[in-house]
Amino acid sequence: DAGVIQSPRHEVTEMGQEVTLRCKPISGHNSLFWYRQTMMRGLELLIYFNNNVPIDDSGMPEDRFSAKMPNASFSTLKIQPSEPRDSAVYFCASRYLDWGGTDTQYFGPGTRLTVL
Amino acid sequence: AQSVTQLGSHVSVSEGALVLLRCNYSSSVPPYLFWYVQYPNQGLQLLLKYTTGATLVKGINGFEAEFKKSETSFHLTKPSAHMSDAAEYFCAVTATQGGSEKLVFGKGMKLTVNP
Repeated sequence: DAGVIQSPRHEVTEMGQEVTLRCKPISGHNSLFWYRQTMMRGLELLIYFNNNVPIDDSGMPEDRFSAKMPNASFSTLKIQPSEPRDSAVYFCASRYLDWGGTDTQYFGPGTRLTVL
Repeated sequence: AQSVTQLGSHVSVSEGALVLLRCNYSSSVPPYLFWYVQYPNQGLQLLLKYTTGATLVKGINGFEAEFKKSETSFHLTKPSAHMSDAAEYFCAVTATQGGSEKLVFGKGMKLTVNP
């Protein structure tokens, strides 16, 4: 399997622009997570989906952030408008969750976002 | 609420020395515990996990961890450090919310291996 695929790997944009990050989970996985990693705050869970349904979005910083999962093989994280403080590495992770299953998440390589 | 504590943010060892990275957890239910490793400019990779059964868990690259319920600990060890072990290490515990599970990560520990 190719693993979790994220695109783009690097994104540089200007303040106020819309940014869309993409994630393709591992085939057959039914849970997907978006994380943000910064030096100051470490690794933060933004939102996660089970069977394409958002379960917990309490980590989404504010209304400028939105995430969708239209099908089992694709998810997007959108920031609009972007601000310099959004600069971070954004990770997507997926897992297969079943009854009694353990929570092994598989991470993508991340998208490094720089907002100027 | 479930949580993990990784005291300190940086550990430095000499090549060939013992590696010990500490993790203490808080959980109101029997926990599932994980160690992930992050190499520079990469995503997190599972190192090992404890679910049930044997409390000494062996992972990849010669690492192991022991679940000690009485101490609420899950420390990561490796007998002899290698230069390639230089990375950041994250301890995590499962947390259940609304019938669904997620991971709660510690703040991470950066390991430096000196020649």
